[in-house]
Amino acid sequence: DGGITQSPKYLFRKEGQNVTLSCEQNLNHDAMYWYRQDPGQGLRLIYYSQIVNDFQKGDIAEGYSVSREKKESFPLTVTSAQKNPTAFYLCASRLQLTGTGELFFGEGSRLTVL
Amino acid sequence: GQQLNQSPQSMFIQEGEDVSMNCTSSSIFNTWLWYKQDPGEGPVLLIALYKAGELTSNGRLTAQFGITRKDSFLNISASIPSDVGIYFCAGQRRGNTPLVFGKGTRLSVIA
Repeated sequence: DGGITQSPKYLFRKEGQNVTLSCEQNLNHDAMYWYRQDPGQGLRLIYYSQIVNDFQKGDIAEGYSVSREKKESFPLTVTSAQKNPTAFYLCASRLQLTGTGELFFGEGSRLTVL
Repeated sequence: GQQLNQSPQSMFIQEGEDVSMNCTSSSIFNTWLWYKQDPGEGPVLLIALYKAGELTSNGRLTAQFGITRKDSFLNISASIPSDVGIYFCAGQRRGNTPLVFGKGTRLSVIA
């Protein structure tokens, strides 16, 4: 089935450790996005990529890094510089050429820093 | 970054009641989208609106793209327990710019 796969679903890490969240899509979508969700805060954009080997910072990029070496993959690294990394992370993608804005989401990864 | 003003923040309703929520912005959007999120899952697209004044239905859900292009609303008729979740509005200004999201409306349905 076509879709967006995020892994792991749950992740526990000690403070000061870098962690990488995986996002893979087989929808042949051009653009991929990472959002962070905190209770009562809605969805805040971390990074996005519209083509391979290119990405842009979103509203809350500090303490995060990404790469886009392949069209189907957009991993997010939460670095030790991120002050409050415990959150629910959502990856999304869309077919850029249509420009219609319809974003499709993965099931999310919940990161807890102990 | 800008977020949309979504209200109400939360709602508690009886099963069978109708629900209305809305989203407003100080700037114009060319596309409005409504998503629903179940606990621990990613949001799922409910309705997409592309034209000012457009009224679109999806089963018991109806959404409208405001004439001024600065607002949108979502109605749910005859609510049922599985309507429980968080509903998000999202807008796109132009072209391929990222979506801007509201903070969500948390809906609880009492059977």
